[in-house]
Amino acid sequence: NAGVTQTPKFQVLKTGQSMTLQCAQDMNHEYMSWYRQDPGMGLRLIHYSVGAGITDQGEVPNGYNVSRSTTEDFPLRLLSAAPSQTSVYFCASSPSGVAKNIQYFGAGTRLSVL
Amino acid sequence: LAKTTQPISMDSYEGQEVNITCSHNNIATNDYITWYQQFPSQGPRFIIQGYKTKVTNEVASLFIPADRKSSTLSLPRVSLSDTAVYYCLVGGLNNNNDMRFGAGTRLTVKP
Repeated sequence: NAGVTQTPKFQVLKTGQSMTLQCAQDMNHEYMSWYRQDPGMGLRLIHYSVGAGITDQGEVPNGYNVSRSTTEDFPLRLLSAAPSQTSVYFCASSPSGVAKNIQYFGAGTRLSVL
Repeated sequence: LAKTTQPISMDSYEGQEVNITCSHNNIATNDYITWYQQFPSQGPRFIIQGYKTKVTNEVASLFIPADRKSSTLSLPRVSLSDTAVYYCLVGGLNNNNDMRFGAGTRLTVKP
């Protein structure tokens, strides 16, 4: 089972560039989320989705866009990269119901913005 | 959103039982308590979830007192491989993502 797959694993961008971080899950989970984790810190929620076609903002949504056209995929778009967006990005998914809070995380994307 | 407070760090030795307590004074009636483990350079991994009293699985136990304002994650007989950051989260089953990761507790297991 692949679980939650994130690509790429590493990325270096120049300030002002845009890019999309990919996230796919094969568990038919309704909930998907994007987090960022800065060194020595906990995870902060960027955006989340409770199902295809539905997205909402988390704690730190500025500078990021998301869409959820299918149950499986939840890409995160950086509109105009800034050095403050240098971080590790994690995508997660979870089912609905009692297990909603049991999230499965991808391996992460390490992003550096120069 | 229910805020959680955990110790920043803890040290232990191999073979000991480790108890990590999390405070969540404003937990809501429909909130569950969920613990995650994170190793360096990896995403968090679910450990255990509970609502009240005690829950046990093959990895850990979770103790929740009657007032639910705190919870304790118990790791029996830790090994070096249990060195990680442990996060306590509280959240409900509403149609949103109301769980928040704090800074977690950095557990270091020594030989």
